[in-house]
Amino acid sequence: EVQLQESGPGLVKPSQSLSLTCSVTGYSITSNYWGWIRKFPGNKMEWMGYISYSGSTSYNPSLKSRISITRDTSKNQFFLQLNSVTTEDTATYYCARSYMGITPFDYWGQGVMVTVSS
Amino acid sequence: DIQMTQSPASLSASLGETVTIECLASEDIYSNLAWYQQKPGKSPQLLIYYANSLNDGVPSRFSGSGSGTQYSLKINSLQSEDVSIYFCQQNYDSPPTFGAGTKLELK
Repeated sequence: EVQLQESGPGLVKPSQSLSLTCSVTGYSITSNYWGWIRKFPGNKMEWMGYISYSGSTSYNPSLKSRISITRDTSKNQFFLQLNSVTTEDTATYYCARSYMGITPFDYWGQGVMVTVSS
Repeated sequence: DIQMTQSPASLSASLGETVTIECLASEDIYSNLAWYQQKPGKSPQLLIYYANSLNDGVPSRFSGSGSGTQYSLKINSLQSEDVSIYFCQQNYDSPPTFGAGTKLELK
């Protein structure tokens, strides 16, 4: 069974970088698409971007200058880096799998809450 | 970006009742519409994709319909375990965008 697990610091200071890891078991990240989605307080959901089976990436234009998604296929992990964070980046961050591109996400991690605060 | 307007924002219903949640897209999304259920403290789970296709393991009391810009999720015979937040998401155009969510509670 495909399982995803997010990890990373729960508190980040404003202007710093947010870095999260998604560890995948039961399936290789060299297949399909692997994305990051966040849920803000108040329930608004935002797709952040994905990394594909080949390593290509696609990002939400609203984040394009601040976001980077990379991977380590030897560890079956992919990563999110979001630069220059503000308090508006406070959210629960989820990693998830989609079959192809922006098709619906069929497997999700449990989520990690990240607070941006000094 | 395609805007997804979801209604109602919250809903209170009794056990056994039928409930309907709606999603309106700002342009035609050609049935590229998914519904997710998020139970308290859990991650979202895919219920329906391509507007009316039930994901594996999802009870048949859930159904989706719609076309063009208007879509709906119907839950027949409401069960206690259906208490959740429900989201729609369009995956026709990038970036994929979500509705604001509907919080379903028991009356």
